[in-house]
Amino acid sequence: DADVTQTPRNRITKTGKRIMLECSQTKGHDRMYWYRQDPGLGLRLIYYSFDVKDINKGEISDGYSVSRQAQAKFSLSLESAIPNQTALYFCATSRTGFGLETQYFGPGTRLLVL
Amino acid sequence: AQKVTQAQTEISVVEKEDVTLDCVYETRDTTYYLFWYKQPPSGELVFLIRRNSFDEQNEISGRYSWNFQKSTSSFNFTITASQVVDSAVYFCALSENTGNQFYFGTGTSLTVIP
Repeated sequence: DADVTQTPRNRITKTGKRIMLECSQTKGHDRMYWYRQDPGLGLRLIYYSFDVKDINKGEISDGYSVSRQAQAKFSLSLESAIPNQTALYFCATSRTGFGLETQYFGPGTRLLVL
Repeated sequence: AQKVTQAQTEISVVEKEDVTLDCVYETRDTTYYLFWYKQPPSGELVFLIRRNSFDEQNEISGRYSWNFQKSTSSFNFTITASQVVDSAVYFCALSENTGNQFYFGTGTSLTVIP
């Protein structure tokens, strides 16, 4: 079984709809991250969480919110989806260590906002 | 300014050729980590290697090798005797001891032609 899972894997929604992307991990890591990937732009950090009570904005947090329901679960919400949020979304996890440890990624969620 | 620069957007090689993917980084920290990830056509991100700033020893893993040179702030990745299965987008990333973030390059798309 995959260590980091994301649901759904694919989603089509309409402008203005609220949508939630979920991430679960069995790696026992305390740190979790949400990224989006756009062609030619690499990965950009949306939000990150170093433990259940710690939530931090990343580079591009506008239009997104997150919830860390448990150490193993980290959800990303688009309150009112817009077409330019069409992207590939990745969840990642890492353990606490010296500096930033290796991040392990989920399989990604392809989101299309019409 | 970009913290991680992958100047090669796309590279095509014929099978069995060697290919080097360039990565140049920028940081003021003396302690940092560098990473390479592979993203095959299926979309997932696969961790390949992590190197810390105190270890400039080159590393070889099968057909893969990495050349870390602090003097030129580069962490280049060479695939020897390329195979079609090496076709993917490859990302270089940097994490600094301060700032608690990963910085990804924009990726290099490698196509290996049979």
